[in-house]
Amino acid sequence: DIQMTQTPSTLSTSVGDRVTITCRASQSVSTWLAWYQQKPGKAPKVLIYKASSLESGVPSRFSGSGSGTEFTLTISSLQPDDFATYYCQQYNFFPYTFGQGTKLEIK
Amino acid sequence: EVQLVESGGGLVQPGRSLRLSCAASGFTFNDYVMHWVRQAPGKGLEWVSGISWQTDNIGYADSVKGRFTISRDNAKNSLYLQMNSLRTEDTALYYCANARDHYDSSPANWGQGTLVTVSS
Repeated sequence: DIQMTQTPSTLSTSVGDRVTITCRASQSVSTWLAWYQQKPGKAPKVLIYKASSLESGVPSRFSGSGSGTEFTLTISSLQPDDFATYYCQQYNFFPYTFGQGTKLEIK
Repeated sequence: EVQLVESGGGLVQPGRSLRLSCAASGFTFNDYVMHWVRQAPGKGLEWVSGISWQTDNIGYADSVKGRFTISRDNAKNSLYLQMNSLRTEDTALYYCANARDHYDSSPANWGQGTLVTVSS
């Protein structure tokens, strides 16, 4: 099975900061990688799919990059609504696997 | 509008069985890969199982393999998860999700989940 290692697990940050979250796969997943945002009590929401494609309706401050085993999610200027937990997921092979999550906290 | 409505959750004793259902609408159900994803209280997301539209490709997380069975009824626009030999660690909110499209199988639209509690 492919293991997804996401770093950091927690990030204390401020409004306006540039944020980068990294996801590393234990073997290549090509560009079959998605990023999700989840807020407490809510279902996850897709931000990025196919490593770098922005989901419709998602603000352009979110971007994704990478291929193979190394991926990043970048938020160019953090907004108050962005404080949440973020997950990566590979969907190249069953079983699809998630990273352990990154929680953005207010500094 | 895509709608996914899970049902069937509840309190069950360890070792017992439970069957979850997901009613889908707003898209052509038999064209899409479907998924179950769970989240234990206070924990991260865990992909549980997925099934292709023709049921010729099915996958399970190692943690549920041999105990859970995914299925679908395309005539009823419904997805199911038969959960046997339940353990306390299966306690979670179970989400149903559909794939983005015929080419990209990532979970795109999610239901609100159904809670399964395994406890004596």
